[in-house]
Formats: sequence, C-alpha cells, structure tokens
Amino acid sequence: DSGVTQTPKHLITATGQRVTLRCSPRSGDLSVYWYQQSLDQGLQFLIQYYNGEERAKGNILERFSAQQFPDLHSELNLSSLELGDSALYFCASSVDRSYGYTFGSGTRLTVV
Amino acid sequence: AQTVTQSQPEMSVQEAETVTLSCTYDTSESDYYLFWYKQPPSRQMILVIRQEAYKQQNATENRFSVNFQKAAKSFSLKISDSQLGDAAMYFCAYRREMAGANNLFFGTGTRLTVIP
Repeated sequence: DSGVTQTPKHLITATGQRVTLRCSPRSGDLSVYWYQQSLDQGLQFLIQYYNGEERAKGNILERFSAQQFPDLHSELNLSSLELGDSALYFCASSVDRSYGYTFGSGTRLTVV
Repeated sequence: AQTVTQSQPEMSVQEAETVTLSCTYDTSESDYYLFWYKQPPSRQMILVIRQEAYKQQNATENRFSVNFQKAAKSFSLKISDSQLGDAAMYFCAYRREMAGANNLFFGTGTRLTVIP
C-alpha cells in the first residue's frame, strides 16, 4: 500500500456519460497530481493541485475538470465521455520536490 | 518545453546479467530532478531511483544505479544481476522546479524482458 488511495479501481461506463474519480493523498502530502495513461502509452500530465489551489495544467481536455477539497482529497471529473477516454488514470501525491511522487494504484476507466 | 526521450521501446536481458536503459531529456533549467519509475504488469508505478541535477555523484539503490551526464542531458539506468521480478516497463521522468508547478514529465517507456 503506497498510502495514496484511488477509488474506484475499475469503472465501465457508456459514451456521453460523466464519472468522478477520487483520490486521497498520503498523509501530510499537500500536492496532488493527475495523470492519464492510455494503453501501452506513457503518462500524460493532466493537472496539479497544491493545498486546494490549482498549480499547473497539462493536456487536460475541457470536458475534464478537477478540484482539491479542504481535507486534501481530490476528484477528477470526466464528462461527455468518448471511447478514446478509456485509460488508466493515476493520482499521485508528493511531500517535497526532491522525493518524487507516490502513485496510487490507478482507476481503469473503460468507455463502451 | 521539457521533453524526455527513451529511444529503446523494448530491451531484454538474461537473468543475472546487466542491462542499461537509456534516457535523454531536454531542458533549459539548471535545477531539476530525474527519476526512474518501474511499472510491472500490476500497473502500479514504483519509484526506483532519483537523481538531483546539482549532485555530481551518480545515485545508487542496491542493484540499480544511474549514469547521469548533465552536459549531455543523459540519464541512463543500469540494472545489475537482473532478476525475473525486474521485468516491467521502465519510465524515465524529469521534474521541473518552477515555483509551485513541479509536475513530472515522463518518457514513453522501455519494456524490459528478463530471460530465465
């Protein structure tokens, strides 16, 4: 157990639907990062939050949004889902800049 | 823009032998961190080793070591005495040091096969 908790682990939904992915960072970590990994691809950075505030944005579609709550958990909302959104979505948290990230086990989203 | 390149999509190594995975990166920054992550079939991302750019000494973690060449912007991973459990995707990653925005940039990965 890495200490970063992601729920659900698996999600199957239909095109056009909306889903919410949840992440609880490691205790004490203020930064949360979301990444998307499509099949056999690298990890694409989506968005970063630090203590409730958005800090950096990557290749995140307008149909996607995220937020970090006062208890530091974060949610990634994906709407108007398309087949191409099927991927593994990772959340990671960080204690300081030198350590790197600790990743959750990911949420596998399948859009049918 | 920061980019990370892993030019070896696939590598293989005999059990107990040594293998080196290559990584190059592009940046105009002088202060940054570099990482190697392992992703086994479980898909969990596991930190293998990290290197601070300001440190000349190459990082080592047990059987894993890096060859960091800052001027050449090269960061290779050497795995010694390879074990079956080392079979995985390996991702090189760069972490920038802009204030507040320090996300990781990942390469496309190298799939390592360990042959018994």
